[in-house]
Amino acid sequence: KNQVEQSPQSLIILEGKNCTLQCNYTVSPFSNLRWYKQDTGRGPVSLTIMTFSENTKSNGRYTATLDADTKQSSLHITASQLSDSASYICVVSASGYSGNTPLVFGKGTRLSVIA
Amino acid sequence: DTGVSQNPRHKITKRGQNVTFRCDPISEHNRLYWYRQTLGQGPEFLTYFQNEAQLEKSRLLSDRFSAERPKGSFSTLEIQRTEQGDSAMYLCASSWQGLAGGPGANVLTFGAGSRLTVL
Repeated sequence: KNQVEQSPQSLIILEGKNCTLQCNYTVSPFSNLRWYKQDTGRGPVSLTIMTFSENTKSNGRYTATLDADTKQSSLHITASQLSDSASYICVVSASGYSGNTPLVFGKGTRLSVIA
Repeated sequence: DTGVSQNPRHKITKRGQNVTFRCDPISEHNRLYWYRQTLGQGPEFLTYFQNEAQLEKSRLLSDRFSAERPKGSFSTLEIQRTEQGDSAMYLCASSWQGLAGGPGANVLTFGAGSRLTVL
């Protein structure tokens, strides 16, 4: 069964600290993996998208890694800011479908950055 | 282009009433998706359109739910005889999907969502 598991479920860190969010998936065949940031009451906004051949991708203070062998991804946030408080959702896309390309969503990690 | 636009942003209704949400996707995108999201959960797929054709519907989409995309541009999601369990955020997303697919295909851009509260 295609699944995406994220950990931790929630996280509280002090402003300025770093943190790492984890995503494990069993989606096959794999096409790409995306991390979205979702502020409370808003729609998800794409942070990074990684294909099979990409190991690392950065977007400002956000760095995503992908290990396609172990089917794990991480999102590292450097020098956290209060505005980083949000849910971070890992989404994995399967490939090889002529119709709808199935997207499997994780439940997200709720990050709270406090002063 | 201002991205994916959803209206209304918030809707409070009484149980049994009908509600309709509208989504205006990115103009170049041929695919349009509807998702439902409840508190603490990831988005759940409801249905999607390729141009004006509705190609897939989730089992979550009961007979009280209907979605249309009449001209392949904007879409509406109507919920009839609302129930308290329908309270959720309804997210619309759009994407470009070419025939060849490929690793970068189907990258969704989400709207801000329409929050429904059924009293």
